[in-house]
Amino acid sequence: GESVGLHLPTLSVQEGDNSIINCAYSNSASDYFIWYKQESGKGPQFIIDIRSNMDKRQGQRVTVLLNKTVKHLSLQIAATQPGDSAVYFCAETRGGTSYGKLTFGQGTILTVHP
Amino acid sequence: EAQVTQNPRYLITVTGKKLTVTCSQNMNHEYMSWYRQDPGLGLRQIYYSMNVEVTDKGDVPEGYKVSRKEKRNFPLILESPSPNQTSLYFCASSGGQGAGGYTFGSGTRLTVV
Repeated sequence: GESVGLHLPTLSVQEGDNSIINCAYSNSASDYFIWYKQESGKGPQFIIDIRSNMDKRQGQRVTVLLNKTVKHLSLQIAATQPGDSAVYFCAETRGGTSYGKLTFGQGTILTVHP
Repeated sequence: EAQVTQNPRYLITVTGKKLTVTCSQNMNHEYMSWYRQDPGLGLRQIYYSMNVEVTDKGDVPEGYKVSRKEKRNFPLILESPSPNQTSLYFCASSGGQGAGGYTFGSGTRLTVV
């Protein structure tokens, strides 16, 4: 079935470096994408979202890029900090909204070394 | 504080014994959902609700029931739990379009023996 997936299951970076987490999706009907951060023992926390009519969206230290041609999105974290260590999930839904049936990727573990 | 509250946090039960995991949100959100999280499988949606008395199946609804009698509450019911329902469960709510995704609860770790 169609699903959202990730290229890399783990990513290790040094504090201060920039991090890039990738996500591939297979359903061209997907039109709304969300990145979540999950710390150990906690529920996923919203980071940033993007709609399919956009290519790029920036937040505080984070940027999401969407390439609809190759069905790929990425999360860039600037000046990565130890507190950014977590599992990062991309999620997609159809209908242009942040509710309804969400499909998550399997996650990327980000480890930031001091 | 705006939050989604799940109870219990941890539960060990036996096969076939009906259980309910409660979920409540204080943000007046219309949309609520349940997910299960398993190693290697990520988060999978069980059921979601777009409003009171409106629910729909997610990707893995078998063995689960939900109800949405009030806007703030969205309990997850396992009528006859089985060991393959051992998992980490999350409830989430959303204010809808433009609300920036779901707000998740802290999770319920369920073990069925």
